[in-house]
Amino acid sequence: DARVTQTPRHKVTEMGQEVTMRCQPILGHNTVFWYRQTMMQGLELLAYFRNRAPLDDSGMPKDRFSAEMPDATLATLKIQPSEPRDSAVYFCASGFGGGANVLTFGAGSRLTVL
Amino acid sequence: ILNVEQSPQSLHVQEGDSTNFTCSFPSSNFYALHWYRWETAKSPEALFVMTLNGDEKKKGRISATLNTKEGYSYLYIKGSQPEDSATYLCASRSLNRDDKIIFGKGTRLHILP
Repeated sequence: DARVTQTPRHKVTEMGQEVTMRCQPILGHNTVFWYRQTMMQGLELLAYFRNRAPLDDSGMPKDRFSAEMPDATLATLKIQPSEPRDSAVYFCASGFGGGANVLTFGAGSRLTVL
Repeated sequence: ILNVEQSPQSLHVQEGDSTNFTCSFPSSNFYALHWYRWETAKSPEALFVMTLNGDEKKKGRISATLNTKEGYSYLYIKGSQPEDSATYLCASRSLNRDDKIIFGKGTRLHILP
């Protein structure tokens, strides 16, 4: 089965440290979404890309978060500096084409910032 | 409606009973409505995607309907089983330039034995 691969699966870090999460979308998928799972907001959209171009990152705190897609096989989400309130599960999802195609989610990266 | 809203937030259903819950979404610039099933400690998995007003989709005991004019979708589960316990998410995609997929907060379904 084709999968969206996320690394790391778990990350524990100290406040102020840089955190980078990686996502390998399914080969051939041209849209990539980053979501954060929170108790209050459910799946909160952070950023997304189509054909590697960033379309919207309005959901991200700009001062500390950044998202990039250096090539078609890799999307990254970086937090610098990390804060305890960033502790959450971060999901990457990929899809193909327009809105009639569903997303395939990765297993998530659980981040704990102490 | 500006956001995707789901109700109820949580639901307890006796095994064998049927149930349904609601997703409300912005009807303007509507493009597609997705339903996902999300089990604890796993990642969301797609159930259905619907695009046309009046669409109905079915997968086993689970079915969904779509009303794009009034901006709602129903998910139905017939004869609930313990394995149906999960959070059910809906997501709306609009026909805008930015083409986002926005999720509701989900309906948490608990099947009681």
